[in-house]
Amino acid sequence: AQRVTQPEKLLSVFKGAPVELKCNYSYSGSPELFWYVQYSRQRLQLLLRHISRESIKGFTADLNKGETSFHLKKPFAQEEDSAMYYCALSKAAGNKLTFGGGTRVLVKP
Amino acid sequence: GAVVSQHPSWVICKSGTSVKIECRSLDFQATTMFWYRQFPKQSLMLMATSNEGSKATYEQGVEKDKFLINHASLTLSTLTVTSAHPEDSSFYICSAQTEPYEQYFGPGTRLTVT
Repeated sequence: AQRVTQPEKLLSVFKGAPVELKCNYSYSGSPELFWYVQYSRQRLQLLLRHISRESIKGFTADLNKGETSFHLKKPFAQEEDSAMYYCALSKAAGNKLTFGGGTRVLVKP
Repeated sequence: GAVVSQHPSWVICKSGTSVKIECRSLDFQATTMFWYRQFPKQSLMLMATSNEGSKATYEQGVEKDKFLINHASLTLSTLTVTSAHPEDSSFYICSAQTEPYEQYFGPGTRLTVT
């Protein structure tokens, strides 16, 4: 069965510092990987997906199949980036999502 | 953008009673909707996949007779928690899937069973 691991429950950084959220997965096939974000009192929303290879709100994530990782990075964190971030995996397009445990990011002024 | 609503946002019920939660896609049709459960400070756990016009597919360990899912139309799926117990208290979140394959999440429903 597929599994997603986010080793950090909390990341606290200062504004302007780089931030990297780790995500590792286990799945024998070729999965689709996603990052979702949940701001305070808001619903979960898609931040980015690996197949689109976009940079959203300054965040990027690269799928490393060799290391089975999909780490999320931003070079200069902003206070508005404070939120809960979830890494998720889908076995194929349209399939159900398996979520990691989530990482809370706190960006201090 | 695609919007998903849930009703109610918060419900309190007594042990032994049943409660229904609605999930609606407001501006798009969704052949597939998903139901998740989230305990405090924990991640989302998929409970079941709801397909319009067919039976839901439940994840291992989820009691299908306790968590009844109905997806009667392309814009509405319902989750009924039957004979609720305090351990069913949780945050229930639905998502609706668009073409091509993006899930939009509802705001969640907090269920408290007393």
